[in-house]
Amino acid sequence: GAGVSQSPRYKVAKRGQDVALRCDPISGHVSLFWYQQALGQGPEFLTYFQNEAQLDKSGLPSDRFFAERPEGSVSTLKIQRTQQEDSAVYLCASSLEGRRDMNTEAFFGQGTRLTVV
Amino acid sequence: DAKTTQPTSMDCAEGRAANLPCNHSTISGNEYVYWYRQIHSQGPQYIIHGLKNNETNEMASLIITEDRKSSTLILPHATLRDTAVYYCIVRGGARFGNEKLTFGTGTRLTIIP
Repeated sequence: GAGVSQSPRYKVAKRGQDVALRCDPISGHVSLFWYQQALGQGPEFLTYFQNEAQLDKSGLPSDRFFAERPEGSVSTLKIQRTQQEDSAVYLCASSLEGRRDMNTEAFFGQGTRLTVV
Repeated sequence: DAKTTQPTSMDCAEGRAANLPCNHSTISGNEYVYWYRQIHSQGPQYIIHGLKNNETNEMASLIITEDRKSSTLILPHATLRDTAVYYCIVRGGARFGNEKLTFGTGTRLTIIP
């Protein structure tokens, strides 16, 4: 497809359950970002990859959150032992921009809405 | 990344120009001004970005003041589909180790029929 694809679009998890959220970035995009958006708030940065390297994970709220991008393309955000406060929309974005590149734009997916009950 | 200040909400009549202001008085020399918008239940959508010169594309124009401490996003002929939350972001970019976009609370723009 032409855009960033995220799956599933909706996920309901019971408290304590593990979840895995998938992001398919635009082909060839070097950079990949994960954001968390609570209801009524702006997106909050979670983590950043350049190719397969996770260069910034400063936004991950706890060690229950883990992200990977093993081959520098598809990325998975995993949340272990989900809690009610993890309920949010999880957004993935990708861009062509690497560390030697001029500034460019990031393209966002539609997000995965996670509800923990 | 420098912080930005935007009005919480604005209204604009359909067909008129929507002018969305943003203050970024602590912007540094290598930081660009970016604008994104988010329509309900969708991911943010890129609109435009610039460093110091005014920029225009098919969606909007970006006017940056000479001292770069503020900017204005202009939607020349607003339509109902432009109703969204608009985010003004300053960002240095990957070259400077500032890869991420830091979103604030944005401006909720409502286009009035």
